[in-house]
Amino acid sequence: DVKVTQSSRYLVKRTGEKVFLECVQDMDHENMFWYRQDPGLGLRLIYFSYDVKMKEKGDIPEGYSVSREKKERFSLILESASTNQTSMYLCASSPDGWGKRSTEAFFGQGTRLTVV
Amino acid sequence: KQEVTQIPAALSVPEGENLVLNCSFTDSAIYNLQWFRQDPGKGLTSLLLIQSSQREQTSGRLNASLDKSSGRSTLYIAASQPGDSATYLCAVNSGAGSYQLTFGKGTKLSVIP
Repeated sequence: DVKVTQSSRYLVKRTGEKVFLECVQDMDHENMFWYRQDPGLGLRLIYFSYDVKMKEKGDIPEGYSVSREKKERFSLILESASTNQTSMYLCASSPDGWGKRSTEAFFGQGTRLTVV
Repeated sequence: KQEVTQIPAALSVPEGENLVLNCSFTDSAIYNLQWFRQDPGKGLTSLLLIQSSQREQTSGRLNASLDKSSGRSTLYIAASQPGDSATYLCAVNSGAGSYQLTFGKGTKLSVIP
């Protein structure tokens, strides 16, 4: 089975801290994604990466950055955490669609981040 | 821009009923559509993936259909059980080279024993 693992289930950080959220997948997927999920707003894409060292902004990249130094690992960085970044963060991976039958996406278990 | 809508936002049914969850999307030029389940405070679990060339997919008591031309998909759950209680989300992938899924906001299902 595909496994996407997020490093923490729960995190509490202080305003202004630099925060790292880590995600690892074990299926050699090309694509990796970071979403945040908020009540009433649904899932919103923050950043995605389609290859090592490649990244693209999603719908709400402000206040975030990402790093993908290895294919299996995709990190989300909050440069200076703020209370409006309190949310559920979800990492996902999927194989490259070109020439492949399926681009089924798989998600991690989520990280509930609280910024105080 | 693709938009995905799920109606109703919440649904409550007695145990044993068959039920249908609805998903509609505005741009019919999709590559595939995926249904997920989310339990409270947890991540998303993939249930079914339907390619644009397919009309339906089945897994156990779940059956998902796709009518691309009308921009609709349904998730049919047979003989519902309390363990089916969760939020169900559909997501559309709009191209073979597309890296993004566009999500609906989900239907929260409660199955009453």
